[in-house]
Amino acid sequence: DGGITQSPKYLFRKEGQNVTLSCEQNLNHDAMYWYRQDPGQGLRLIYYSQIVNDFQKGDIAEGYSVSREKKESFPLTVTSAQKNPTAFYLCASSISVSNEQFFGPGTRLTVL
Amino acid sequence: GNSVTQMEGPVTLSEEAFLTINCTYTATGYPSLFWYVQYPGEGLQLLLKATKADDKGSNKGFEATYRKETTSFHLEKGSVQVSDSAVYFCALSERETSYDKVIFGPGTSLSVIP
Repeated sequence: DGGITQSPKYLFRKEGQNVTLSCEQNLNHDAMYWYRQDPGQGLRLIYYSQIVNDFQKGDIAEGYSVSREKKESFPLTVTSAQKNPTAFYLCASSISVSNEQFFGPGTRLTVL
Repeated sequence: GNSVTQMEGPVTLSEEAFLTINCTYTATGYPSLFWYVQYPGEGLQLLLKATKADDKGSNKGFEATYRKETTSFHLEKGSVQVSDSAVYFCALSERETSYDKVIFGPGTSLSVIP
């Protein structure tokens, strides 16, 4: 089955530690995205990538970093510079940046 | 800037009741409009979409019509089921300099009771 996987589903980290969230897709999509979701709010775009080895900042990129070394993978690192990292993180992909986005199941990050 | 506004939840309905979730948008151009659904603990799934004025999107008994004159895209279903309990997000897609940015509303939580 084609789809998007995110791991782990739940992640706990101590304050001050960097943490990397995994996102993998086997849909052969060029574009990939990371969103943050907070209770009672819509999704906010962190980073997006249109193609391998290229990515752009979204609306709330501060304190986050990404890489896109392979078409299938778009990991997100939440750094210690992110002031309020506890949230639900969603990865998505699309054939191109003008097409419908498909979402992964999400990772819930809790910083203690 | 462009934005999406949804009716506040939570919405609680009895099974087989009629559902309406209001959505209005602000946009400078001619965006595409979407409804996404998020079941508990999961990611978002596209429920339906409309790409131009007067288009009607439909899926799984849900419908929404793109109304440019009222800048609205209200979601309706004639008879809800317990399995429809989820959070519903209205969204629009607008062209940025290099990609189609998707702007999401805050979501409306729906609970359907037997």
